[in-house]
Amino acid sequence: DAGVIQSPRHEVTEMGQEVTLRCKPISGHNSLFWYRQTMMRGLELLIYFNNNVPIDDSGMPEDRFSAKMPNASFSTLKIQPSEPRDSAVYFCASTLTSGAYNEQFFGPGTRLTVL
Amino acid sequence: GENVEQHPSTLSVQEGDSAVIKCTYSDSASNYFPWYKQELGKRPQLIIDIRSNVGEKKDQRIAVTLNKTAKHFSLHITETQPEDSAVYFCAASSEGYSTLTFGKGTMLLVSP
Repeated sequence: DAGVIQSPRHEVTEMGQEVTLRCKPISGHNSLFWYRQTMMRGLELLIYFNNNVPIDDSGMPEDRFSAKMPNASFSTLKIQPSEPRDSAVYFCASTLTSGAYNEQFFGPGTRLTVL
Repeated sequence: GENVEQHPSTLSVQEGDSAVIKCTYSDSASNYFPWYKQELGKRPQLIIDIRSNVGEKKDQRIAVTLNKTAKHFSLHITETQPEDSAVYFCAASSEGYSTLTFGKGTMLLVSP
């Protein structure tokens, strides 16, 4: 298995532009997470999907952020309009939730820079 | 919700020394405690985890201890090597729930 796949790996955009980050979880995993990592705030959970359904989006900073999971093998995180303070590394992670806790596998991340 | 505090934020040791990183958590229902290692520019990766039915777990040079009464858990690395240099994150979760609450991380620097 290739692991969790994220694209793009790097994104540089200007303030006000729309940004879409993409994630392909590990095949067979039924839970997907989007995290944001910054020096100041550490690793923050933005949203969690289980069986393609958003379960907890309390970490989504504001209405400019939205996430979708149209099927078990694809998810997007969209920022519209983007702002400089959105600059961060965004990680997607997946796991198989089966009652007992299982390891979350992280993707390589997308480094977003908003100018 | 859960709150995880991690200390220290940075830790410098000489090669061969031991390193200890400590975390506390607030939710008494938490019963799963993983530790992730993140090398510079890389993704976080699980290195060891412990569940609340055990007090200690070891894997070669790393060990984790858990004190449920005091609500704290620690990562111990013995005989540190330069390749141990990374940021280490602790986390907590309730079994049956998938979400993790992470600590802020500890940057460990091992000098040759």
